[in-house]
Amino acid sequence: GQSLEQPSEVTAVEGAIVQINCTYQTSGFYGLSWYQQHDGGAPTFLSYNALDGLEETGRFSSFLSRSDSYGYLLLQELQMKDSASYFCAVGLGNQGGKLIFGQGTELSVKP
Amino acid sequence: GAVVSQHPSWVICKSGTSVKIECRSLDFQATTMFWYRQFPKQSLMLMATSNEGSKATYEQGVEKDKFLINHASLTLSTLTVTSAHPEDSSFYICSARPGEREQYFGPGTRLTVT
Repeated sequence: GQSLEQPSEVTAVEGAIVQINCTYQTSGFYGLSWYQQHDGGAPTFLSYNALDGLEETGRFSSFLSRSDSYGYLLLQELQMKDSASYFCAVGLGNQGGKLIFGQGTELSVKP
Repeated sequence: GAVVSQHPSWVICKSGTSVKIECRSLDFQATTMFWYRQFPKQSLMLMATSNEGSKATYEQGVEKDKFLINHASLTLSTLTVTSAHPEDSSFYICSARPGEREQYFGPGTRLTVT
C-alpha cells in the first residue's frame, strides 16, 4: 500500500521557523508536493520537489531526499495567517497527476 | 495561477436522491481531472481519475456505480453521487493541472445528505 507519515500537529509562535517532516512509502514516485488548507477551504499549492535538494519560494522552502524517502516543508517568519493544515503528497500515476496525501499537519501559530 | 471552479459549493439532499457536482478548468484545458473526498479533520482521499473522452479510473474501494464520473469536454468533469445516503455526506474536491508541477483544486462542494 501507499503511506505518508507526517506529524499530526505543530505549534509555534509568530516570527519563528517551523519544519514539517514527511516520510513516504509508495509504489511509485513522481515528486513530493506540499499543500496548505485552511478550514473549509480548498488545498492550495505551496511547493514541489521532483529531485533531491531544496526548493525555495519566499517564506516557504521544501526539501527532498529520494534515497531516504523523506522530505520537509520549512516555514519561516511565521505569521498568524499561516495557521492551517499542511499536507505532503506524492505524485503517482498519470505522470504524477495522481496525488496521494499524507494525513496532514495542523499548524497553530501563537502570538 | 490556473483556476478550477466547482458548482455547487454546497448542497443538501434527501437520502435516496442523486446529486451532480461540476468541475471546470476556467483558463486551461484538462484531459485529466481528479476527484477527492475529505471527511472532517481528515486527509484528502483520491476517489477517481476522470479522463476526457473515456471511462474514469476508480480507486480501490470506490463504487463506480455510485459515483458516476463524466468528462465530456476538455474543461468539464462531473461527479454524480447516486442514491445518496447520510454516510456520503462529505467535502468533495476536484483538481486539475495545466503542467507537471502544481495541481489546482476547486473550492470544493460540501454535500449533506439528510
